[in-house]
Amino acid sequence: DAGITQSPRHKVTETGTPVTLRCHQTENHRYMYWYRQDPGHGLRLIHYSYGVKDTDKGEVSDGYSVSRSKTEDFLLTLESATSSQTSVYFCAISTTGASGELFFGEGSRLTVL
Amino acid sequence: QKEVEQNSGPLSVPEGAIASLNCTYSDRVSQSFFWYRQYSGKSPELIMSIYSNGDKEDGRFTAQLNKASQYVSLLIRDSQPSDSATYLCAGWYGSSNTGKLIFGQGTTLQVKP
Repeated sequence: DAGITQSPRHKVTETGTPVTLRCHQTENHRYMYWYRQDPGHGLRLIHYSYGVKDTDKGEVSDGYSVSRSKTEDFLLTLESATSSQTSVYFCAISTTGASGELFFGEGSRLTVL
Repeated sequence: QKEVEQNSGPLSVPEGAIASLNCTYSDRVSQSFFWYRQYSGKSPELIMSIYSNGDKEDGRFTAQLNKASQYVSLLIRDSQPSDSATYLCAGWYGSSNTGKLIFGQGTTLQVKP
């Protein structure tokens, strides 16, 4: 157990509303990632962070922003949710530095009506 | 070309058989590759990593990397119904300090009793 908690686990919202998903880790690992998963697309990287205030864009970053003001928290914000952002969102951390050995949170299922 | 590509399947094999899962990658992906297993409704979990050309064995799992052909595979020997899941291939993309993990779309494996 890598000590990752995602919140909320489920959320239903309406188009145009802001949404923030939180990823919290208990072990002070430097690298954190946000992915979304949709049928037929596998996992697609939205944003990632390699330290406090150090973030970068992934494959599908449009419509999303992130913040990391503390090592333990990585926030994903949808400024104005759209139906195309209905998805399952996974947070992941790397416990071995910048590597592909990731541990995933349990996921947050977001439905935008 | 997508950075990492997989056949989405489903791949169906009888119990006890060898399941062979395949993945190809583009020039932009580095030489570090990973296989994740994801049960329905759950988060992905790392099962194998491979960093150099050749084979790597771990129990019933063997990962194979062929750099010349840009090809990664996962063999599961003596397949069990509990191996039924989606298998995600992933490759490391970018620098060692700020890189990211890129996933294929996943292959669904069904092991029939």
